[in-house]
Amino acid sequence: QSALTQPASVSGSPGQSITFSCSGTSSDLGAYDYVSWYQQHPGKAPKLIIYDVRHRPSGVSNRFSGSKSGNTASLTISGLQAEDEADYYCSSYTTSNTLVVFGSGTEVTVL
Amino acid sequence: QLQLQESGPGLVKPSETLSLTCIVSGASISSSNYYWGWIRQPPGRGLEWIGSIFYSGTSYSNVSLKRRVTISLDTSKNQFSLNLTSVTAADTAVYFCARHVTHSSSWTPWGQGMLVTVSS
Repeated sequence: QSALTQPASVSGSPGQSITFSCSGTSSDLGAYDYVSWYQQHPGKAPKLIIYDVRHRPSGVSNRFSGSKSGNTASLTISGLQAEDEADYYCSSYTTSNTLVVFGSGTEVTVL
Repeated sequence: QLQLQESGPGLVKPSETLSLTCIVSGASISSSNYYWGWIRQPPGRGLEWIGSIFYSGTSYSNVSLKRRVTISLDTSKNQFSLNLTSVTAADTAVYFCARHVTHSSSWTPWGQGMLVTVSS
């Protein structure tokens, strides 16, 4: 069982904005601003899209944005496009012996 | 351009040891700015951190794997390795290697991944 909880699926129409959450505890999301988000297309490796809560790596579209409040982080995809259809995972450091935890994953569908 | 590539057997028998190597090109694994790590993904499921190693050789692993994990560095070959002992079918997964920036949540880039099946 994943340590961080994400909704199993989220959908939206092209051009819309969607936001989904990543919920943790005071031992992970609440303890650090070391939250990252990954996009994974089928059969491919995950790709970093947000790190340290809200920072985008070079080359990642500014349609992706991240935030955090307390024990919950959120990812927003604005101007939804067909190519955004993928699985998305959050990740955080944790004070537990596990050290690094990932979320359960959210499948994004573009209607 | 930094690239990571996993290599090793794609089939391992139950109770044996899974051994994978991550070959790093385009950057030195001896940098103090990065950890080098392993993550796995069982078929149809989410990501699980296995462990990471620092350039000094200090390593960390997921306690859920109950001390079955060993991660090592070979700076002469610019690669790092994973050994997972006493495997079962539950260890069947795509195994990824990736670079982790210190003092950051950034895991990038990732290798393409390698499916390892545990079966007799």
